[in-house]
Amino acid sequence: EIVLTQSPDFQSVTPKEKVTITCRASQSISTSLHWYQQKPDQSPKLLIKYASQSFSGVPSRFRGSGSGTDFTLTIDSLEAEDAATYYCHQSISYGGTFGQGTKVEIK
Amino acid sequence: QVRLQESGPGLVKPSQTLSLTCTVSGDSIGGSGFFWSWVRQHPGKGLEWIAYIHYSGSTHYNPSLKSRVIISVDTSKNQFSLKLRSVTAADTAIYYCARDVPFDLWGQGTLVTVSS
Repeated sequence: EIVLTQSPDFQSVTPKEKVTITCRASQSISTSLHWYQQKPDQSPKLLIKYASQSFSGVPSRFRGSGSGTDFTLTIDSLEAEDAATYYCHQSISYGGTFGQGTKVEIK
Repeated sequence: QVRLQESGPGLVKPSQTLSLTCTVSGDSIGGSGFFWSWVRQHPGKGLEWIAYIHYSGSTHYNPSLKSRVIISVDTSKNQFSLKLRSVTAADTAIYYCARDVPFDLWGQGTLVTVSS
């Protein structure tokens, strides 16, 4: 099984600050890496697919990068509505596996 | 607008079979070409993919759950279903249905509690 490890687990950030979340895979997954946002009591929402492709309707402040084993989700200029838990997900092996999540709190 | 809606019992007894259905509206399971998945989330925890199915009947399962899971599709009702047998308290979770891989559209989720 491919293990995805996110860091940090938790981040407290001031509005307008830049947020960087990393996701490391236990083996190469090319660019089969996706990012989701989950707000409390809501289902996850797809933000970024295949490492760097923005999903339809997602604000441009969300950016993804990386390939192989190391990936990054960047939120430029954090807004209050971005308070959520963010998950990475790999799909190189069928439905794949998820990272443990990174909770972003607004200071 | 495409919507996915999970339905099924919210309480299942240990050792019994958990059965859930996802009804898709605004899209045709049979004509879309997508894969249709079940994903679960243990309370306060992360996400776990369970299985997916294509309208053609092609299926794939999470190896850790494969021995207990069956996913099926009914294109006439535009639904797909999950059966998880021999449940224990460890199967208590919010169960989501989702479209395609990556999961670009999710249902609202349904909490299933395993308890006697």
